[in-house]
Amino acid sequence: EPEVTQTPSHQVTQMGQEVILRCVPISNHLYFYWYRQILGQKVEFLVSFYNNEISEKSEIFDDQFSVERPDGSNFTLKIRSTKLEDSAMYFCASSWDSANTGELFFGEGSRLTVL
Amino acid sequence: AQKVTQAQTEISVVEKEDVTLDCVYETRDTTYYLFWYKQPPSGELVFLIRRNSFDEQNEISGRYSWNFQKSTSSFNFTITASQVVDSAVYFCALKTGTASKLTFGTGTRLQVTL
Repeated sequence: EPEVTQTPSHQVTQMGQEVILRCVPISNHLYFYWYRQILGQKVEFLVSFYNNEISEKSEIFDDQFSVERPDGSNFTLKIRSTKLEDSAMYFCASSWDSANTGELFFGEGSRLTVL
Repeated sequence: AQKVTQAQTEISVVEKEDVTLDCVYETRDTTYYLFWYKQPPSGELVFLIRRNSFDEQNEISGRYSWNFQKSTSSFNFTITASQVVDSAVYFCALKTGTASKLTFGTGTRLQVTL
């Protein structure tokens, strides 16, 4: 069964460093997303991406964050200068439905620890 | 604005008991979609079910059943004859219209013991 894959599974970084989290969405999906979950808290929307551009972003997704689909398969989230409060599990998701009404399929997450 | 409330933070049951997880949503949109996701201890988010606002037909799938009631803005999830493997955090989520954003509730942690 096709799945969303994310790398790395866990990254530890120093405050102020840049981090890139990588995702390979399901191949025929059209919408791509990043969500994050601070430990023990709810899952929060960061950004959605469709047709090579951001379609929606939350207030969390400030100038420190950027997303890119550098080739036909990868979808990346970059955090330019990490802060302690960026420590969280970051989930990539993709959706097949062009009308954006379908379910999202999530990857296993990338745990980011900022020291 | 949309909101999802899962009032139960944690539920503990003994194996074979039935358990219902509550979800109440708020939205002004007439077109919306409701979801349940399971997050086992390993951390991934597993899709369980999707319902749209036009379809109030309730569904049973094996030991799982869902009760969608627009009149009370609720989308509850029942596990019949619970098993230890059902132990996880369960999230209810809402998407409105054609917006990208999926709004999650705070989750209900279900602990099933022997």
